[in-house]
Amino acid sequence: DTGVSQDPRHKITKRGQNVTFRCDPISEHNRLYWYRQTLGQGPEFLTYFQNEAQLEKSRLLSDRFSAERPKGSFSTLEIQRTEQGDSAMYLCASSWLNRPAGELFFGEGSRLTVL
Amino acid sequence: AQSVTQLDSQVPVFEEAPVELRCNYSSSVSVYLFWYVQYPNQGLQLLLKYLSGSTLVESINGFEAEFNKSQTSFHLRKPSVHISDTAEYFCAVKGSQGNLIFGKGTKLSVKP
Repeated sequence: DTGVSQDPRHKITKRGQNVTFRCDPISEHNRLYWYRQTLGQGPEFLTYFQNEAQLEKSRLLSDRFSAERPKGSFSTLEIQRTEQGDSAMYLCASSWLNRPAGELFFGEGSRLTVL
Repeated sequence: AQSVTQLDSQVPVFEEAPVELRCNYSSSVSVYLFWYVQYPNQGLQLLLKYLSGSTLVESINGFEAEFNKSQTSFHLRKPSVHISDTAEYFCAVKGSQGNLIFGKGTKLSVKP
């Protein structure tokens, strides 16, 4: 099965360190989304790509966050100078552009703990 | 702007009892609505969706939801729950950029 995969599944880091998460979407999907989920909250939209173009960024995405999708396939989300408030589950999802009303397919998430 | 309100953060229920998880939405564009389920330590899985047509949509595991335009609701129901239905359920509406806008979730706890 070639569902959405995320790596690593868990990351523990010290405050101030940089971390990077990777997402491999379903291969035919040209849209890729990043979400953040904290305890007691639903997933919150961070940013999305259509092929390699980053088309929208949420106000939640501070300057310390950067996302890329260089070849329109996998994507990375980097957090620089991590803070304790960055502790969350980072979810990746993908979808088809040609199905604008269709659902998003989610990976299992990357859980970040900042000590 | 689109938004979703899930009125109950936690719903405890006994096995084989009926359950309703409430969801209200706000949207100024075409309405596409979804329910996702998240089991512990897992990602989000689509449970069911409303895109158009019949206002009553069903999932393969006995859940159903009804789109009610006048009440701007999309409540999720199941006539008889199982222990295995214990999970967190998220209602979502499609945003103008194709993203999903989620509610805060409802934790369903099914007790024997």
